[in-house]
Amino acid sequence: AQKITQTQPGMFVQEKEAVTLDCTYDTSDQSYGLFWYKQPSSGEMIFLIYQGSYDEQNATEGRYSLNFQKARKSANLVISASQLGDSAMYFCAMRRPRGGYNKLIFGAGTRLAVHP
Amino acid sequence: DADVTQTPRNRITKTGKRIMLECSQTKGHDRMYWYRQDPGLGLRLIYYSFDVKDINKGEISDGYSVSRQAQAKFSLSLESAIPNQTALYFCATSAAGTESTEAFFGQGTRLTVV
Repeated sequence: AQKITQTQPGMFVQEKEAVTLDCTYDTSDQSYGLFWYKQPSSGEMIFLIYQGSYDEQNATEGRYSLNFQKARKSANLVISASQLGDSAMYFCAMRRPRGGYNKLIFGAGTRLAVHP
Repeated sequence: DADVTQTPRNRITKTGKRIMLECSQTKGHDRMYWYRQDPGLGLRLIYYSFDVKDINKGEISDGYSVSRQAQAKFSLSLESAIPNQTALYFCATSAAGTESTEAFFGQGTRLTVV
């Protein structure tokens, strides 16, 4: 079965420091995509970063980078230079194209608190 | 205006009542999804539709039904609401594509069943 695991229910970090949010996934597919979404207290889902299973380079988007270790089936999100506005829930998700159904499955999320 | 719009944003309803959550999108996407978010469980897929004639059950479809009235509209119904359906509900859309296709979410509907 396809599954996303986020083992950290909550994390905290000091402002301006870096933080890593863990994500492991389970799939037998060769082709898949991995996403991170941010959910602030207002509730909306904000797309942060994407990594394809065939991408050789780790994805980066501004202060966000994805530490992709395919053999370990992990796709950790690294936030550099944390800001107070980074306090939110963060969800890791995987999309599998098998059978043409591009369903997106999510982990349970990690709540990040950035302290001043 | 938001690309994916959900109505209502908040709703309190009584046990046993029928309720409909509506979703409309202006992104022109074929694929639409309904998710439910519960604390500690993340987002779970209720139903998904790849076009007007295609409706599929997700992992937690029991107690729910959907209607795809048009490419841009996808409604979720709770025929007889129960308290454990209290949750945050999201509609999402995506283009037909590959594993890299991003999903776009509505603002969410917070439903409370009392």
